[in-house]
Amino acid sequence: AQKITQTQPGMFVQEKEAVTLDCTYDTSDQSYGLFWYKQPSSGEMIFLIYQGSYDEQNATEGRYSLNFQKARKSANLVISASQLGDSAMYFCAMSCYTGGFKTIFGAGTRLFVKA
Amino acid sequence: DGGITQSPKYLFRKEGQNVTLSCEQNLNHDAMYWYRQDPGQGLRLIYYSQIVNDFQKGDIAEGYSVSREKKESFPLTVTSAQKNPTAFYLCASTPGQGLNYGYTFGSGTRLTVV
Repeated sequence: AQKITQTQPGMFVQEKEAVTLDCTYDTSDQSYGLFWYKQPSSGEMIFLIYQGSYDEQNATEGRYSLNFQKARKSANLVISASQLGDSAMYFCAMSCYTGGFKTIFGAGTRLFVKA
Repeated sequence: DGGITQSPKYLFRKEGQNVTLSCEQNLNHDAMYWYRQDPGQGLRLIYYSQIVNDFQKGDIAEGYSVSREKKESFPLTVTSAQKNPTAFYLCASTPGQGLNYGYTFGSGTRLTVV
């Protein structure tokens, strides 16, 4: 069965430092997509970055990069030069096709950026 | 600006009452979704719609109903059959259905049973 695991309920990082948020996934599909979303305290979920299962290069979007290790089934999010505005919940998600397109979300990691 | 509008932001429901959450998008997206978020958990899919006048149940559809009469609108009704409706509800859309489509989300509706 498909599953997303985020093992860090909460993380602290000093402003201007880099931080890695962990995500492991489980699927027997060959084709799938991996996503990261940010949820500030306002509640709206914001799409950050996408990685396809066949993409050989790690995805990057500004200060966000996705460290994709296919053999380990991990899709960690790296945020460089953390800012106070990065304090939020972060969700890892996987899209797959099992009798229909489906997206599965992890439980999330709360990131606190310290000044 | 294109986006998804959810209303109301906060909603209070009495026991045995049906309530409807609104979701409107002006992105010209074909697919729309309703998710439920509980504290400490990820999002769980309630219903989704790939096209007007068609929708499918998600993982936790019991006690909920939807309609898709217009491309732009996908309202969710929380019925009295939903025994534990207190949660944060998020509406989302994608251009179509595919593995590489990221969701655009609305700002959510927080529903509380009083």
